[in-house]
Amino acid sequence: EVQLVESGGGLVQPGGSLRLSCAASGFIFSSYWMTWVRQAPGKGLEWVANINQDKSQIYYVDSVKGRFTISRDNAKNSLYLQMNSLRAEDTAVYYCARFGKNNWEIDYWGQGTLVSVSS
Amino acid sequence: QSVLTQPPSVSGAPGQRVTISCTGSSSNIGAGHDVHWYRQLPGTAPKLLIYRNTNRPSGVPDRFSGSKSGTSASLAITGLQAEDEADYYCQSYDSSLWVFGGGTKLTVL
Repeated sequence: EVQLVESGGGLVQPGGSLRLSCAASGFIFSSYWMTWVRQAPGKGLEWVANINQDKSQIYYVDSVKGRFTISRDNAKNSLYLQMNSLRAEDTAVYYCARFGKNNWEIDYWGQGTLVSVSS
Repeated sequence: QSVLTQPPSVSGAPGQRVTISCTGSSSNIGAGHDVHWYRQLPGTAPKLLIYRNTNRPSGVPDRFSGSKSGTSASLAITGLQAEDEADYYCQSYDSSLWVFGGGTKLTVL
């Protein structure tokens, strides 16, 4: 059974940093593109970042470029999101998710971890 | 302002058919990029409902169907049930960006 379990969320002050982790199991982690998607309270889904299998292709939404860094450790079956210079508008539930093998569909999602940026 | 436009809300009575539209542009849906649909029940993570415009993952009932034409796509739900009340999102690809629609809240009357 595919499982994605996020951790690392919490309350942080504006300008602070946080590192999210996602532990993957039930599939060959190194064979899949992975992604982070966020959802602000009461709002819709927003794609944040992608990383391919060997870390040679990485993409970010413009609003997080230069502040967030997506990474992965295939030996540990883990995905990460380092978030620096956090802003109030980064407050959201962050989902770790897997891209399927068809054409950029997200076939599995974690349960999400809440990041709150507030003073 | 989402790149893909969905109606904020739709509603229908049990047993009825409803459709949710997803309107894009020549740089995403109109460029031939596939559309995927997700359902999000309150307080839970999204779940894949339709992939590559028309395909259902294993376990998704055939009451759910997708279509795509030109710069738009649609999700149809027939035989509406109370448990279909949820938020629905479309998703596609646009110039090295992965984009979602703003979401549609389906209310079962």
